[in-house]
Amino acid sequence: DVKVTQSSRYLVKRTGEKVFLECVQDMDHENMFWYRQDPGLGLRLIYFSYDVKMKEKGDIPEGYSVSREKKERFSLILESASTNQTSMYLCASSLRFYNEQFFGPGTRLTVL
Amino acid sequence: AQSVTQPDIHITVSEGASLELRCNYSYGATPYLFWYVQSPGQGLQLLLKYFSGDTLVQGIKGFEAEFKRSQSSFNLRKPSVHWSDAAEYFCAVGLNTGTASKLTFGTGTRLQVTL
Repeated sequence: DVKVTQSSRYLVKRTGEKVFLECVQDMDHENMFWYRQDPGLGLRLIYFSYDVKMKEKGDIPEGYSVSREKKERFSLILESASTNQTSMYLCASSLRFYNEQFFGPGTRLTVL
Repeated sequence: AQSVTQPDIHITVSEGASLELRCNYSYGATPYLFWYVQSPGQGLQLLLKYFSGDTLVQGIKGFEAEFKRSQSSFNLRKPSVHWSDAAEYFCAVGLNTGTASKLTFGTGTRLQVTL
C-alpha cells in the first residue's frame, strides 16, 4: 500500500527559529511536493523535487527552502519562522510523468 | 496559467439525497483532472481522475465525475450521500512541466451532511 509519512502531526515553534519538516515515501516515486493549506485558499505549492538533489520553486517559495538528499526523503526548511507561516503543511509524491499524487497526513505548524 | 474554480464554499445536504459539487477549470490543453477528499485532520485521498477517454469517470466510495470540455467543467456527483461523506472536497488540474507533474487545486468545498 502506498505510504507517505510526515515527521510530526503538530508542531509549535517560536518566531525566528529554524524549522525542519520531514517527509518520507516508500513508493520509489520520482516526484515529491510540499504544499501549505490555509482556509479559503486551498492548497498552494511551495516547492517540488523531480529527482534527488533537484528542486523547483512552486507558487509560494518565499521564506522556505527544501532538501532532497535521498529519493525517499524530502525536507521543508523554514530558515527563520514567522507567524505568517502558521499553517497546515502537506507533503505528496507521484510517479514520474504521472499526475496522481499521494498525500501524507499533514503537519499543523504554529509559530508563536 | 491553469486555474481551478470551485464556486461553492460550503454545501449542506441531507443523508440519502443526491450531491453535485461543481468544478470549472481554465487550461489551454486537454487537462488531467482530479477530485480529492480530505476528512478532518487528515491528508488528501484521491477519489477519481480523468486523463482521457470516457468522459464519465467512476471513483471510490460511489462517486463519479463527468468531464465536459465545452463547459470546462468536471463536476463530482453521488446519487445518495452518507453521513461519512462529510468532508472537504478539492478539484485539481494537472500540468506536465517537462520535469515533473504539478497540480493546481481549487479552494475546496466543505460538505456537511444532516441526518
